[in-house]
Amino acid sequence: SYELTQPPSVSVSPGQTARITCSGDALVKQYAYWYQQEPGQAPVLVIKRDTERPLGIPERFSGSNSGTTVTLTISGVQAEDEADYYCQSADSSGAYWVFGGGTKLTVL
Amino acid sequence: EVQLVESGGGLVQPGGSLRLSCAASRFTFSSYWMSWVRQAPGKGLEWVANIEEDGSEKYYVDSVKGRFTISRDNAKNSLYLQMNSLRAEDTAVYYCARVSGAAAAADYWGQGTLVTVSS
Repeated sequence: SYELTQPPSVSVSPGQTARITCSGDALVKQYAYWYQQEPGQAPVLVIKRDTERPLGIPERFSGSNSGTTVTLTISGVQAEDEADYYCQSADSSGAYWVFGGGTKLTVL
Repeated sequence: EVQLVESGGGLVQPGGSLRLSCAASRFTFSSYWMSWVRQAPGKGLEWVANIEEDGSEKYYVDSVKGRFTISRDNAKNSLYLQMNSLRAEDTAVYYCARVSGAAAAADYWGQGTLVTVSS
């Protein structure tokens, strides 16, 4: 098994750029995925395969990969973006998954 | 739009059993891997198990191996999680999720069902 490490919290003002990191050795070879979870709601996939945005996800959400660290970037943060964000990856077969501990994004 | 509806959660004593169900609709269920993911109160997401399209292969997180069994009935468009020898640390909201056809990720989620293990 392996681990993914996220900062517990990130704070930004409206209109600024939020960057949430996720680190793990497996990310060199395996894709990362990002989910947004609002309080009391099910998670929503916002980034797949490091950088791809699923249909319906606003363009202000983007992802990048630099080796053992992937980053979720939210440009022009809005109040509605306040939520918990989780990274997730899988082993080489895609069958065994792991989630990061989650990052609470606060919009000041 | 894809719909996933979980049921079967509730209060169970330590050592007890519970069977969760997930009714899927509005997509070709038999063409997708499916997954169970849980979230303990106030905690993060934890992957529990995956099952391949035809149910032939199943994968589990170490903490539930030998206690939980994931299964599916493609004729009924249903996913299941049989949970035995339940422990207090299994208390969580359990989400059913569809695995994206082209990625090792969950592209659609149900609203979850709460399992509470307590005496």
